[in-house]
Amino acid sequence: DTEVTQTPKHLVMGMTNKKSLKCEQHMGHRAMYWYKQKAKKPPELMFVYSYEKLSINESVPSRFSPECPNSSLLNLHLHALQPEDSALYLCASSQAEGYTEAFFGQGTRLTVV
Amino acid sequence: SQQGEEDPQALSIQEGENATMNCSYKTSINNLQWYRQNSGRGLVHLILIRSNEREKHSGRLRVTLDTSKKSSSLLITASRAADTASYFCATDSNYQLIWGAGTKLIIKP
Repeated sequence: DTEVTQTPKHLVMGMTNKKSLKCEQHMGHRAMYWYKQKAKKPPELMFVYSYEKLSINESVPSRFSPECPNSSLLNLHLHALQPEDSALYLCASSQAEGYTEAFFGQGTRLTVV
Repeated sequence: SQQGEEDPQALSIQEGENATMNCSYKTSINNLQWYRQNSGRGLVHLILIRSNEREKHSGRLRVTLDTSKKSSSLLITASRAADTASYFCATDSNYQLIWGAGTKLIIKP
């Protein structure tokens, strides 16, 4: 199984809502990542988890809250988002932090209204 | 973080032709990777070339790396409609992937 599964595929939320994005991998990878991608731009790293511990937080606003319940799961909790947070949110995993090949999920298309 | 420049930004060619994309980067690297992204979807890893390698092949893909010029190229031979996508290079630096701006490739039937 070389898949990274993200749910939901699409999400529309109001600025006062609380929602969560979920990511799952069963490749035994010990590093997992959240990226944000705007249209026609490369992905921007948000968070890195290594061995279930937050390793990197790229100065992401606190309205985005990551969580790694176990080595296979990664969540991104969303609260009080702004319309400019609308983007494609991508989850990825790799064998370990320090990169060889990263496996990406299909992303969650988030629209904040 | 965005380190690299890719050119061209967009490339439109006829099916069957070869497509070449270039990537330049700024700092020393451990490896350089190329990814493909179909419209609005996740990224797919295509090929990785290590800093001590100069050329690598995978199927219809050929990647070169020139560390003295801090540049890489991706050649797709005998292009197909299914190759229509955005292509990103990414360099491994300080345990992070640093992404290029991407090249949008359109294959015309």
